[in-house]
Amino acid sequence: EIVMTQSPATLSVSPGERATLSCRTSQSVSSNLAWYQQKPGQAPRLLIYAASTRATGIPARFSGSGSGTEFTLTINSLQSEDFAVYYCQQYNIWPLTFGGGTRMEIK
Amino acid sequence: EVQLVQSGAEVKKPGESLKISCKGSGYSFTTYWIGWVRQMPGKDLEWVGIIYPVDSDTRYNPSFQGQVTISADKSINTAYLQWSSLKASDTAIYYCVRLVVRYVFDIWGQGTTVTVSS
Repeated sequence: EIVMTQSPATLSVSPGERATLSCRTSQSVSSNLAWYQQKPGQAPRLLIYAASTRATGIPARFSGSGSGTEFTLTINSLQSEDFAVYYCQQYNIWPLTFGGGTRMEIK
Repeated sequence: EVQLVQSGAEVKKPGESLKISCKGSGYSFTTYWIGWVRQMPGKDLEWVGIIYPVDSDTRYNPSFQGQVTISADKSINTAYLQWSSLKASDTAIYYCVRLVVRYVFDIWGQGTTVTVSS
């Protein structure tokens, strides 16, 4: 099973700033990586797939990069609605696995 | 609107059986795999398994194999997740999801909260 490690566990950022979230995998997943956002009491929402492709309706301030074992989600000019928990997920090898999440909070 | 609508919250006792549902609408239900994801209280997301409604081809996360059963009825655009004997450790929110681009979860149901307590 591929182990997904997200860092940091918690990220404190001020609105308007940039946030950089990291996801590492225990073995290469090529570009088969997705990012999800989850707000309290809500289901997760797909943000990014194929490491860098934004899902339908996702604002351009969200961007993803990386391949192999190291991936980054960048959120530019943070808005109040962006403060949530972010998960990465690999879909290269069964079983599909998620990272432990990064909680982004208002500084 | 493309959506997955799940059945309501359940409160059960250990040892009881349960079947929760997920109805798809706004798209061709038989074109996409449907999956289930578990989120235990305050915990991370875990993939449970997936099913292809056309022929009920099913794949499970080994951690859940034998613990749950995934099924689908394509005639009513509905997928199911069931337990034959619940445990307290099954307490969680269960989300159904639509899969695209291989195994990316693009549409999520609202979640079904399952509480197992004596």
